[in-house]
Amino acid sequence: DTGVSQDPRHKITKRGQNVTFRCDPISEHNRLYWYRQTLGQGPEFLTYFQNEAQLEKSRLLSDRFSAERPKGSFSTLEIQRTEQGDSAMYLCASSGAPRNEQFFGPGTRLTVL
Amino acid sequence: AQSVTQPDIHITVSEGASLELRCNYSYGATPYLFWYVQSPGQGLQLLLKYFSGDTLVQGIKGFEAEFKRSQSSFNLRKPSVHWSDAAEYFCAFYNNAGNMLTFGGGTRLMVKP
Repeated sequence: DTGVSQDPRHKITKRGQNVTFRCDPISEHNRLYWYRQTLGQGPEFLTYFQNEAQLEKSRLLSDRFSAERPKGSFSTLEIQRTEQGDSAMYLCASSGAPRNEQFFGPGTRLTVL
Repeated sequence: AQSVTQPDIHITVSEGASLELRCNYSYGATPYLFWYVQSPGQGLQLLLKYFSGDTLVQGIKGFEAEFKRSQSSFNLRKPSVHWSDAAEYFCAFYNNAGNMLTFGGGTRLMVKP
């Protein structure tokens, strides 16, 4: 078991560009979560998948954000027309059942210039 | 509103001293509670969790936490801190449906030699 992996680990982009992040959960986990963490804050929930279905989205997830989990395995998070306020650490987590422990990946740190 | 409060933003302790990190929650029922630790630039690692039963729970790395319903608290403790414990600590709980974690703002622990 290799744990939750995320790619890339760091991304620097210019304002207005699109970026895409990938998350590979623990293979037997059917639940996948995305969180955003800004400097000095705790993670904030963005969205959650059960298998390939996106079941919940936070109000933090504006129209510029989209997430997919096409085959119920890996997930992608895309941010279109990035803004400086999007600079944050984007964390992915997975779990095997409701209320079970969530295992977190190392995160993707996004810097928007 | 459901929320988690970690009143101490920073704590500094001497190596070998005891540690207590405070966590208070606001929730309508008995929550599923967690403590996570995050080293700089890394994802989150679960230290311990409370679902039900014994209110004193043991975790990894010598940490323990006590759930006190009357005080809506779930404080993290360690009898003797090691320099490697320097990190940021987050308290969290699951929402009703168990679909998202709500995190506190974190407590940054520094350890003096």
